[in-house]
Amino acid sequence: EVQLVQSGAEVKKPGESLKISCKGSGYSFTTYWIGWVRQMPGKGLEWMGIIYPGDSDTRYSPSFQGQVTISADKSISTAYLQWSSLKASDTAMYYCARPAIVGAPFDAFDIWGQGTMVTVSS
Amino acid sequence: QLVLTQSPSASASLGASVKLTCTLSSGHSSYAIAWHQQQPEKGPRYLMKLNSDGSHSRGDGIPDRFSGSSSGAERYLTISSLQSEDEADYYCQTWGTGLWVFGGGTKLTVL
Repeated sequence: EVQLVQSGAEVKKPGESLKISCKGSGYSFTTYWIGWVRQMPGKGLEWMGIIYPGDSDTRYSPSFQGQVTISADKSISTAYLQWSSLKASDTAMYYCARPAIVGAPFDAFDIWGQGTMVTVSS
Repeated sequence: QLVLTQSPSASASLGASVKLTCTLSSGHSSYAIAWHQQQPEKGPRYLMKLNSDGSHSRGDGIPDRFSGSSSGAERYLTISSLQSEDEADYYCQTWGTGLWVFGGGTKLTVL
């Protein structure tokens, strides 16, 4: 079964750092891009960026460029989303998702992770 | 600019059909989209990819009660024989060179 399994919920204070993960299984992890999507409480879906685990080629949405870092460790089939200094406005659910077509960065997402809730509060 | 527009809400009765609309911005009427369902307190689930000619491919396990169609810049999701579990938010998604775009979502209420 093809699936993306994300790390558990996090509660952090403003200014702290955080790295959440997304582990792929059931497919060739290095040949599909992985994207990250933010959903703030009660709001819609926003694309943050994507990475190709095969060579770590990374693209960011202009809205998130410089705000987060996306990385991947292909040896353990895991992608990451990282903050160096969290803000209260980073409180949201974060999803990883995989485009449907091998090697294509931009296509329909056909596989979604279950989501990681990040709460930032003093 | 590539933008997707969805009505914020829709409603239909149990057992009836409903047609949700996603509109592509001017100049982008040839773009394919995807439909995703998000049930309350759950993550999104891929429903289908829908091309500009109306051809579509459903995701694994998606019943044929869910179908797609296209007309110009409009992309439609039709759900027939509505069930209570169809009450959810429905998002359309498209993509271009260097970006993904989501519509604002439609909240479907099953009466």
